[in-house]
Amino acid sequence: EVQVLESGGGLVQPGGSLRLSCGASGFIFSNFAMTWVRQAPGKGLEWVSTVTGGGGTTYYADSVKGRFTISRDNSKNTVSLQMSNLRADDTAVYYCAKGTRGFGDTHLDSWGQGTLVTVSS
Amino acid sequence: EVVMTQSPVALSVSPGERATLSCRASETVSTNLAWYQQKPGQAPILLIYSASTRASGTPARFSGSGSGTEFTLTISSLQSDDCAIYYCQQYDKWPPFTFGQGTKVEIK
Repeated sequence: EVQVLESGGGLVQPGGSLRLSCGASGFIFSNFAMTWVRQAPGKGLEWVSTVTGGGGTTYYADSVKGRFTISRDNSKNTVSLQMSNLRADDTAVYYCAKGTRGFGDTHLDSWGQGTLVTVSS
Repeated sequence: EVVMTQSPVALSVSPGERATLSCRASETVSTNLAWYQQKPGQAPILLIYSASTRASGTPARFSGSGSGTEFTLTISSLQSDDCAIYYCQQYDKWPPFTFGQGTKVEIK
């Protein structure tokens, strides 16, 4: 059974940093792209970042480019999102989701339960 | 960036009736379109991909159609368990992936 589980959310001050982690199991991790999607309170879904299966290529939404860094450790079946210079509008539930092939241009077939990031003083 | 526009914003349907949700892309995305269901407090789940292929576990009452810029998600006989927000997502022209703003389905 495919499982995806996020951790690392919490309350952080504006300008601060936070690192989210996502552990996965039930599939050959390195064969699949992994993506972070966020959802601000009461709002819709917003794509944040994707890393290809091998980890060699990363993609970012304009709203987070230069502030967030996605990475993965295929030996540990984990993907991380390092977030810095956080702003109030980064407040959201962050979901980790699995793609259906190694490159990122796919739908997302398994999602974690999400982790809440709150940016506030 | 491909803009995805869903309509209506909200839909109220009687149990057993048909619900039809629309999604329009600002430019062609071929059939590289997915539909997700999200219930309150829960993560989204994949319902449909490649515009019309049901994901594993998706009930047969859900069907998807369309190509290019116009897509439809149909729930043939609405059940109470189907109350949720439904999002479309294109993965043809990316980055970025783009989602529609969602359609909320309620029981009348």
